[in-house]
Amino acid sequence: EAGVVQSPRYKIIEKKQPVAFWCNPISGHNTLYWYLQNLGQGPELLIRYENEEAVDDSQLPKDRFSAERLKGVDSTLKIQPAELGDSAVYLCASSPGRGGTEAFFGQGTRLTVV
Amino acid sequence: SQQGEEDPQALSIQEGENATMNCSYKTSINNLQWYRQNSGRGLVHLILIRSNEREKHSGRLRVTLDTSKKSSSLLITASRAADTASYFCATDAVQYFTGNQFYFGTGTSLTVIP
Repeated sequence: EAGVVQSPRYKIIEKKQPVAFWCNPISGHNTLYWYLQNLGQGPELLIRYENEEAVDDSQLPKDRFSAERLKGVDSTLKIQPAELGDSAVYLCASSPGRGGTEAFFGQGTRLTVV
Repeated sequence: SQQGEEDPQALSIQEGENATMNCSYKTSINNLQWYRQNSGRGLVHLILIRSNEREKHSGRLRVTLDTSKKSSSLLITASRAADTASYFCATDAVQYFTGNQFYFGTGTSLTVIP
């Protein structure tokens, strides 16, 4: 069974440019998470989806970040425009459903804004 | 913001020794999970302990949970060089209306010296 797939693995962009990250969760997993991880820190939740519904986006900086999960499967996280402080690793994870289950993580996308 | 905090931030031991890391958290939880992250990789789930459990074992891993103190510990016995990684606790916090959420701590960086 394929794991959580993220692309691209690495992205370097100039500040003020847009960028998008893509995530394909494990088949059948209803819950999808986007996390941001700064160097030497733990992942911080940006948004969580239950199927196609964003049930918690309270930590998502909505002035520049947006996310969607069409048809409750793949998801895209977008930043427009990117700032220097957005340089980090963006992790996608999925889990089968609510309560008492583990999250499966993708390899992440390392974003560098120059 | 992150829910948990690991202690110590960094730990260096000789191969064969035991490694203990601690996690403290802030709010009521359904369960607590430990994850490992090798450098530049995604997180891998190690073990889950539910709020009504006090101790759990999995291979060389032993996890304890004290909900009255809002703390957990992870013990890795007979450590190996391959155990070198960052370890994170994640609390599955109760969110009555929005289901369950994973909040990660700051992590413990473990180095096992061959």
